[in-house]
Amino acid sequence: GENVEQHPSTLSVQEGDSAVIKCTYSDSASNYFPWYKQELGKGPQLIIDIRSNVGEKKDQRIAVTLNKTAKHFSLHITETQPEDSAVYFCAAPAGTALIFGKGTTLSVSS
Amino acid sequence: DTEVTQTPKHLVMGMTNKKSLKCEQHMGHRAMYWYKQKAKKPPELMFVYSYEKLSINESVPSRFSPECPNSSLLNLHLHALQPEDSALYLCASSQVEFTDTQYFGPGTRLTVL
Repeated sequence: GENVEQHPSTLSVQEGDSAVIKCTYSDSASNYFPWYKQELGKGPQLIIDIRSNVGEKKDQRIAVTLNKTAKHFSLHITETQPEDSAVYFCAAPAGTALIFGKGTTLSVSS
Repeated sequence: DTEVTQTPKHLVMGMTNKKSLKCEQHMGHRAMYWYKQKAKKPPELMFVYSYEKLSINESVPSRFSPECPNSSLLNLHLHALQPEDSALYLCASSQVEFTDTQYFGPGTRLTVL
């Protein structure tokens, strides 16, 4: 079955720096890769997703890249702000399930 | 509107109680999900309803009983829970199963005493 690995587990950056979180997946049939942001006490919120027919997608300060050959995808946040501090989860579908990575706790200090 | 609502926000129950969690969406989505999330862990899938029929039960103990009364509502009935069932219970919905965007509710924080 699908296995999703996410790194790093924690990431601390200064405000204005960039942050990169990487995920690898095992099921070559997977074709949809969402990223979720979860703030304390809240449910996960979709921030960006990518489908396997594109290599990169951007939305303002957030971008996701996908390398299907290597089976990995990454979240890039530029010009980080304190409100970007949260736990970020990548995910990939595996048959009838959506498998989440273990999460990355991002801390942005001002 | 991409809102999924869940009630109650917090729930404390004893091991002999019966309670229910409720979830509602008005986006016309035909797939709805229950996830369980323990602290500092990712969400774990419990149940999936597709077109109001249970399509996936991820080997969840029978003390958790899902119900989908109509296409907008999803309930999770709880009975004889254990302290280790304390967690954040998340509801999500999507247009179709899985390969479509899932929208999550804020969750119900459950504590079993």
